[in-house]
Amino acid sequence: GAVVSQHPSRVICKSGTSVKIECRSLDFQATTMFWYRQFPKQSLMLMATSNEGSKATYEQGVEKDKFLINHASLTLSTLTVTSAHPEDSSFYICSAILGGPNYGYTFGSGTRLTVV
Amino acid sequence: DQQVKQNSPSLSVQEGRISILNCDYTNSMFDYFLWYKKYPAEGPTFLISISSIKDKNEDGRFTVFLNKSAKHLSLHIVPSQPGDSAVYFCAASNYGGSQGNLIFGKGTKLSVKP
Repeated sequence: GAVVSQHPSRVICKSGTSVKIECRSLDFQATTMFWYRQFPKQSLMLMATSNEGSKATYEQGVEKDKFLINHASLTLSTLTVTSAHPEDSSFYICSAILGGPNYGYTFGSGTRLTVV
Repeated sequence: DQQVKQNSPSLSVQEGRISILNCDYTNSMFDYFLWYKKYPAEGPTFLISISSIKDKNEDGRFTVFLNKSAKHLSLHIVPSQPGDSAVYFCAASNYGGSQGNLIFGKGTKLSVKP
């Protein structure tokens, strides 16, 4: 089946540094990918929609200059958390839509970011 | 305002019995609903989905029921197994519309006791 590979699975970084998270569709082309964030005991919250070849669409309250999204190819979207702070510590998950008769959403395995 | 609500944060069930997880939604434009299972520190795993044109979809031990008039759906797991213990998220989408993202509920933690 369709697989989305996300890495790193876990990263610890110092406050003020930047962290890049990659999301790859392994056996299909993903025109659109989604980035979610989950805080403890909370729901998955959509941060932004990543469209190949165009600018990402950010949800209200999500700083686009802080969470840089690049979707330069049909198989790769990246999320860069710039100048990370402890409050950015969270679980980040990417997702892609499968179109056509196999419609569905497939998720990456997630990245646990801890900013110290 | 939450568009997808899972009002029970947790549910405990005995092995072999039925687990019923509930989900309510407010947006009548949603036309596709999904259930995901999630273990800690992992991404959600798709379980089962249902289109708004149906009222039931069954896959093995998992059955999803949709009541459009009540804007309510439920996931039935029978028989429940200890390996089913996880957090279950209900999600909705209006695929036919301009949005492609999923709206998630807060999840229900299911514990299946041996």
